[in-house]
Amino acid sequence: EDQVTQSPEALRLQEGESSSLNCSYTVSGLRGLFWYRQDPGKGPEFLFTLYSAGEEKEKERLKATLTKKESFLHITAPKPEDSATYLCAVQAFTGGGNKLTFGTGTQLKVEL
Amino acid sequence: ETGVTQSPTHLIKTRGQQVTLRCSSQSGHNTVSWYQQALGQGPQFIFQYYREEENGRGNFPPRFSGLQFPNYSSELNVNALELDDSALYLCASSPERGGYTDTQYFGPGTRLTVL
Repeated sequence: EDQVTQSPEALRLQEGESSSLNCSYTVSGLRGLFWYRQDPGKGPEFLFTLYSAGEEKEKERLKATLTKKESFLHITAPKPEDSATYLCAVQAFTGGGNKLTFGTGTQLKVEL
Repeated sequence: ETGVTQSPTHLIKTRGQQVTLRCSSQSGHNTVSWYQQALGQGPQFIFQYYREEENGRGNFPPRFSGLQFPNYSSELNVNALELDDSALYLCASSPERGGYTDTQYFGPGTRLTVL
């Protein structure tokens, strides 16, 4: 069974204080690993898709990396507007209708 | 290009009732997936429809059912509502790429409260 574990559960940063979020996964044949941002009471907003180990993608202050066992979301010089829950999800090649299996997320709060 | 929309935004039902939630996918996206997200948890896969046929199902009982229509709209129906069905219900649409569904784009969700 596919599993995703995210850490830490919650993270509080000062504005400008860089950090990383971790996503560990076990999956029977990884097709893709996805990062989403979710604001309270809203639907997840797509950030990145990573397909193979060694791949990296960047968007503004965010950078996602992937190894065979985990993914990191690096946040450089965060701002208060980066406060949100960040969700990691995996998609396997094998059956299940191309479903996404999500972790429980990391709740990030960036303070002035 | 329009995004994914869902209706209603909020809904309150009583235990034992039936509910229908609606979703409008992005134009050209022939796959729609439904997820249930309890408070403080990640979304849980309910099922997926591809070209109007169910294409995969998670660990949800048969009282959760769905439909997909040719005009990129879809429905999630839940019968005999239980208190534990209270959650945010998310619809996600995705295009097809290389025989697999590509990135899933989520709607804003429907908040269902069962009393």
